[in-house]
Amino acid sequence: DTEVTQTPKHLVMGMTNKKSLKCEQHMGHRAMYWYKQKAKKPPELMFVYSYEKLSINESVPSRFSPECPNSSLLNLHLHALQPEDSALYLCASSLLGIAGGGTGELFFGEGSRLTVL
Amino acid sequence: QKEVEQNSGPLSVPEGAIASLNCTYSDRGSQSFFWYRQYSGKSPELIMSIYSNGDKEDGRFTAQLNKASQYVSLLIRDSQPSDSATYLCAVKRAGNNRKLIWGLGTSLAVNP
Repeated sequence: DTEVTQTPKHLVMGMTNKKSLKCEQHMGHRAMYWYKQKAKKPPELMFVYSYEKLSINESVPSRFSPECPNSSLLNLHLHALQPEDSALYLCASSLLGIAGGGTGELFFGEGSRLTVL
Repeated sequence: QKEVEQNSGPLSVPEGAIASLNCTYSDRGSQSFFWYRQYSGKSPELIMSIYSNGDKEDGRFTAQLNKASQYVSLLIRDSQPSDSATYLCAVKRAGNNRKLIWGLGTSLAVNP
């Protein structure tokens, strides 16, 4: 199994809603990432979990809340989002954890396209 | 100066030609270099990684790294219309902060 699976593929939510994005990998990868990507821009790092611990938080607003229940799962909880948060949210994993230098060879899921109304 | 720079393109090449994509970086201590391909509306896909000076070949793809001149390039031989995509260069910094730094990407169009 060489996939990173993200659900849902599309999500439309109002500014007062609470929703979650989910990501799963069964490759035994030790680091998992959330990226945000706007049209015609490169991916923008949000969070990194390494060995199930939050290792990097790129000063992301608290309306985004990550969670790593176990080594295969990664969630992104969304609350009180703004229309400017509409984007493609990408989950990725890497074989090595952060300390092992594993932040370069990333396997991306298909992404969750989020629209905030 | 951006940390990782790429020409935005579009770079247009005829089918069967060699496509040459270039990337320069500013942090001289950078250690690892990656090329990702992203089709429109899809997620990035790693196609090449390179860590040492010189060339690295994988099928129709060749990555070239020159640390002294701080550039990395990607050559695509026998370009196909299916190679039409945005190619993102990413560089991993040295040191404790090991984030990937991304270029803005080069759009490649291969014309039949």
